Amino acid sequence: EPEVTQTPSHQVTQMGQEVILRCVPISNHLYFYWYRQILGQKVEFLVSFYNNEISEKSEIFDDQFSVERPDGSNFTLKIRSTKLEDSAMYFCASRDTEAFFGQGTRLTVV
Amino acid sequence: DAKTTQPTSMDCAEGRAANLPCNHSTISGNEYVYWYRQIHSQGPQYIIHGLKNNETNEMASLIITEDRKSSTLILPHATLRDTAVYYCIVRVGNNFNKFYFGSGTKLNVKP
Repeated sequence: EPEVTQTPSHQVTQMGQEVILRCVPISNHLYFYWYRQILGQKVEFLVSFYNNEISEKSEIFDDQFSVERPDGSNFTLKIRSTKLEDSAMYFCASRDTEAFFGQGTRLTVV
Repeated sequence: DAKTTQPTSMDCAEGRAANLPCNHSTISGNEYVYWYRQIHSQGPQYIIHGLKNNETNEMASLIITEDRKSSTLILPHATLRDTAVYYCIVRVGNNFNKFYFGSGTKLNVKP
């Protein structure tokens, strides 16, 4: 069964550093998403991406964040100047008629 | 997207059917009902979706009332591995933008 793959599964970074979270969506899907979940809280929408551009973003997705589809298979989330409060699980999703989520990257900012 | 209301938590005995309700009284005609679940801190997992007819797949059944103001997700024979948070989400079918995840229902399957 096709699946969304995320790497790494766990990333530890120092405050102020930049991180890139990587995702390989399901191959024939055209819509891609990033969500995050702070420990013990709800799953929150960050950004949706279609046709090589952002189609919608939340108020969380400010200038600190960017997304890119650098080639035909990867979809990345870059977080610049990480802060302690960026520590969370980050989920990538892709969809056709329903969305499929990856297993997430646990980002820990220390 | 229409707002949904779900109970905070439910218990179910292993092997019995788990019936998870969802109210969506403001749903409009072109909005679908989707169900996802999240086991511990894993990524949300798609379960099933429907518009107005009842739906069944290998994981679950979805029963939507005739007025579409509420629905029930049925796990016919719950196992311990079905312990998770279950989210009912209502959205326009051709709206491929964000899902809104509320608080969901924490289903506890007990031996």
